[in-house]
Amino acid sequence: DQQVKQNSPSLSVQEGRISILNCDYTNSMFDYFLWYKKYPAEGPTFLISISSIKDKNEDGRFTVFLNKSAKHLSLHIVPSQPGDSAVYFCAVIQGAQKLVFGQGTRLTINP
Amino acid sequence: GAVVSQHPSWVICKSGTSVKIECRSLDFQATTMFWYRQFPKQSLMLMATSNEGSKATYEQGVEKDKFLINHASLTLSTLTVTSAHPEDSSFYICSAGRLETQYFGPGTRLLVL
Repeated sequence: DQQVKQNSPSLSVQEGRISILNCDYTNSMFDYFLWYKKYPAEGPTFLISISSIKDKNEDGRFTVFLNKSAKHLSLHIVPSQPGDSAVYFCAVIQGAQKLVFGQGTRLTINP
Repeated sequence: GAVVSQHPSWVICKSGTSVKIECRSLDFQATTMFWYRQFPKQSLMLMATSNEGSKATYEQGVEKDKFLINHASLTLSTLTVTSAHPEDSSFYICSAGRLETQYFGPGTRLLVL
């Protein structure tokens, strides 16, 4: 039973445009959400997070939006750059004990 | 940022043998380390949480006698896959640090023939 879902396995965006990665979750009790970025042969690295008391958090080119009523999380990257090409995972903290990850979305930024 | 290493990065072994994977925090001390497993086209799944000097806490469905975890120091945790079988072939990845600020290793790809 997948509690965190990233329904798009891949996404292709032109350089300079906006990349929007989406994530849905099933449990309304989740209260802390994170995005990780992973390059090949490397471990995931933390990108940005958001608490359920907020609906938006911004860090430079990265913005995370949280829609609690829809149980939906999105990551916006603008403008997209070639170095943003990677696999992006959303994750939630469950029960203050563990991270639960989505399946990941492979983002490709085209020149 | 904090660096976590894993060794080996990949390993091929015969069915029935045991394989040990090391996870090291290189520039910080980690009271807690996490072990994950990722099958193709699936998400990272937490296998167990290990705390230095105490027994690991395993997730439901993960056999503690098969996946032995040792966290004997603040910079080293090991995962031993005992009597490995082809279905154990997977990508194993560790992390260290606090729950909301985990630093991940690069992972170990295990192939059991």
